[in-house]
Formats: sequence, C-alpha cells, structure tokens
Amino acid sequence: NAGVTQTPKFRVLKTGQSMTLLCAQDMNHEYMYWYRQDPGMGLRLIHYSVGEGTTAKGEVPDGYNVSRLKKQNFLLGLESAAPSQTSVYFCASSWTGGLYEQYFGPGTRLTVT
Amino acid sequence: AQSVTQLDSQVPVFEEAPVELRCNYSSSVSVYLFWYVQYPNQGLQLLLKYLSGSTLVKGINGFEAEFNKSQTSFHLRKPSVHISDTAEYFCAVSDKSSGNTGKLIFGQGTTLQVKP
Repeated sequence: NAGVTQTPKFRVLKTGQSMTLLCAQDMNHEYMYWYRQDPGMGLRLIHYSVGEGTTAKGEVPDGYNVSRLKKQNFLLGLESAAPSQTSVYFCASSWTGGLYEQYFGPGTRLTVT
Repeated sequence: AQSVTQLDSQVPVFEEAPVELRCNYSSSVSVYLFWYVQYPNQGLQLLLKYLSGSTLVKGINGFEAEFNKSQTSFHLRKPSVHISDTAEYFCAVSDKSSGNTGKLIFGQGTTLQVKP
C-alpha cells in the first residue's frame, strides 16, 4: 500500500497563476483533510471532507477550493495564487473523525513569487 | 475556540538524557489528544493518543504522555533519547463537541535537537 500520496512534491508559481494539488489514498478512508504548515504556526486546516462528494471549510479556507469526486482523491485548488500562499501543504486521511488517527502524505512545497 | 500551546519552540538535549516536551490546551471540554512527530522532509506520523481511561499513555519509540485534566496539559516524555529522535513534535487536540469531523487543532511545534 502506498498510503497517502501527494502530487506534485514541489512547485513554483507566479502571482495570479492557478494550480491543483492532488491527494490520493489507498486505505479506503472516509475522511480527508488539507493542511498548510508555516514556520512557528504548526499545521492549520484548510478544508476537509467527511465522504465522497462532501467538502467543508476549515480554519483558513480563503483563496482555496477543494473537490472530492472520488473517495480516494481530494483535490486542492488555488485559483489565483498569492505570495501569502507560499507554504508546505499536507494532505491527510482517516477512517472517520474524532478518535481515529490521521495518516499524512509527504507534503507539497509551494512557492509563490 | 480551542487552542493548543507548545511552550518550547526548541529543546536541545544530549543523547541518553531524559526529555519532556510541554503541551497545554485551552478548553476543559472533552477532548481527544494526540502527539505527532515529523522527521525532516517527511509527513507527520502518530506517536500516541489519549482517548479516555488511564491518564498515562504509551506510544511508539519509548515515548509516553500524561493527560492532566485539571491543568489542561498533555506533556510528552522519554526517559532516554537517541540521535534518531531529532525531529519536530506536534501536539494536537480534537474537540469532541465539534462532532465527528476529526478536525485537529495543532500546536506550533517543538523541535527536539538531540546532541551526541
């Protein structure tokens, strides 16, 4: 099993460009999450999904959109990238919420110039 | 709103010495508590979690943590560290009142630097 994979691993964007980050999991998990990690701020939840076809906003959703058309995939989109979105992005998945641990992908390092 | 504070941003320690990484959370409502570890250039992996029951929780790699409800703390300890424990450690809280969403609130992280 590959677990949680993220594509791409690195990306440099110019301000105003758009891109999509792909997260895939092969553990048949119901719940999936997108976080961003910034120095000194830990991880902050951007959006999450509690099942195929569902999405919800997290702590810092502005400037991002998500889709969960298939259970195994969770896409994070940036429509018009800004330098403030320079960060490391992590995807995670879990069986359901609450007491179940989250399994994290290796991360995508995004730089917006 | 729930918040998590990790009191030390960096903790330097010599190999084979004991270590404690401190974590406090803001609300006394029912919570699930987690410690995750992040090795350089990797994603996070679970060290241990507290759901209910015994306040002393044992995890992987010899780590343990103690839940203290009155002090709203969940400090992580290891009696003897190894060079390989050098990593960033995150405390996280899931508030039971947020339903079954599994949303985690993370602390800022503590970098453990083990010196030979």
